[in-house]
Amino acid sequence: DAGITQSPRHKVTETGTPVTLRCHQTENHRYMYWYRQDPGHGLRLIHYSYGVKDTDKGEVSDGYSVSRSKTEDFLLTLESATSSQTSVYFCAISESGYGNTIYFGEGSWLTVV
Amino acid sequence: QKEVEQDPGPLSVPEGAIVSLNCTYSNSAFQYFMWYRQYSRKGPELLMYTYSSGNKEDGRFTAQVDKSSKYISLFIRDSQPSDSATYLCASSSYDKIIFGKGTRLHILP
Repeated sequence: DAGITQSPRHKVTETGTPVTLRCHQTENHRYMYWYRQDPGHGLRLIHYSYGVKDTDKGEVSDGYSVSRSKTEDFLLTLESATSSQTSVYFCAISESGYGNTIYFGEGSWLTVV
Repeated sequence: QKEVEQDPGPLSVPEGAIVSLNCTYSNSAFQYFMWYRQYSRKGPELLMYTYSSGNKEDGRFTAQVDKSSKYISLFIRDSQPSDSATYLCASSSYDKIIFGKGTRLHILP
């Protein structure tokens, strides 16, 4: 298994509160990604990082921000959680970006009430 | 037209049967093709990775890519109840990866 740890694995939070999800990898891979997975939509890219302090937006980035201060950690922050952000969030890593294999973490289940 | 399309299923087959899972894609720039298996409440697990056209075999699994028809297939031989999962195909170029929405597979004992 790829060395990817997500935390927390499950969280219930109230609308309007900030939430931070953490992804930690032990593979020293350069690329890290945050996806959300919803019924009928599949996996959708939120943000990705191609190096320390280098990040870019994906297709569903509104309401989310990310930070990467170390190679091994990639944080996803919901500044003010909304019910539409109830989802399962997957972190993924890749050694050299698209065209290379991407490995996923076990997921973080977030419920916004 | 979606860039990667996959029948959502569910697909139910008896144990021991050969399973065929398929995807189509529309972007000619895609050169890398992957299949992931996802169990309920788990993350997607990489099963097969292929580059360009051709076949790749790994145990009971065979991945097939036909770039002329933009068709991707995964075959599972001697299917087992433990193969029951959702299977996601993915296609990528150098600048993006697109996932299919997944096919739910049930292997009936």
